[in-house]
Amino acid sequence: KAGVTQTPRYLIKTRGQQVTLSCSPISGHRSVSWYQQTPGQGLQFLFEYFSETQRNKGNFPGRFSGRQFSNSRSEMNVSTLELGDSALYLCASKLGGIESYEQYFGPGTRLTVT
Amino acid sequence: AQTVTQSQPEMSVQEAETVTLSCTYDTSENNYYLFWYKQPPSRQMILVIRQEAYKQQNATENRFSVNFQKAAKSFSLKISDSQLGDTAMYFCAFGDTGNQFYFGTGTSLTVIP
Repeated sequence: KAGVTQTPRYLIKTRGQQVTLSCSPISGHRSVSWYQQTPGQGLQFLFEYFSETQRNKGNFPGRFSGRQFSNSRSEMNVSTLELGDSALYLCASKLGGIESYEQYFGPGTRLTVT
Repeated sequence: AQTVTQSQPEMSVQEAETVTLSCTYDTSENNYYLFWYKQPPSRQMILVIRQEAYKQQNATENRFSVNFQKAAKSFSLKISDSQLGDTAMYFCAFGDTGNQFYFGTGTSLTVIP
């Protein structure tokens, strides 16, 4: 079974631009979560989507948004990029049921904002 | 909100020796899950071991085991017979009943040959 895939793997953007990242979960997984990883901060939870609906949301500004499609693929969008948005963005998928706690992570998208 | 604390930013261990990584958490919930994830350099994050809060028995996966102290809200990871491939960043994580996860800031472990 193919693992979680993320595209693109690397991205360089300029302050003020917007960016869209994509995540394809493991086949059959209906939940996709997004995390921001920075040195010293660990992983910060952005949001989780389950069956095309946002189920959980972390404490990030409204510039960070996401969506999930009917095939469970998810996209994350960051508008008006700031230097502090430079990070590794990870997505993780899981089956999605109440008792499904085992997450599988993708390789991440390394975003650099200049 | 739940918080997870890893107080050891960096650790090192000699190959074949045993090392223990610490993790404490804060929650008012009674049912939850705890996890240790491993992120090797430039590689994907993988699940090492998980513990259900309602289980008193400590989880074990080959050379990896945990010491789960629910009352103390402590969840340490013991790696026995350390191998060079164990060199990685290790993250402790808490999963609540709302399917939300909280991660610590990580411990960078280096196994020295």
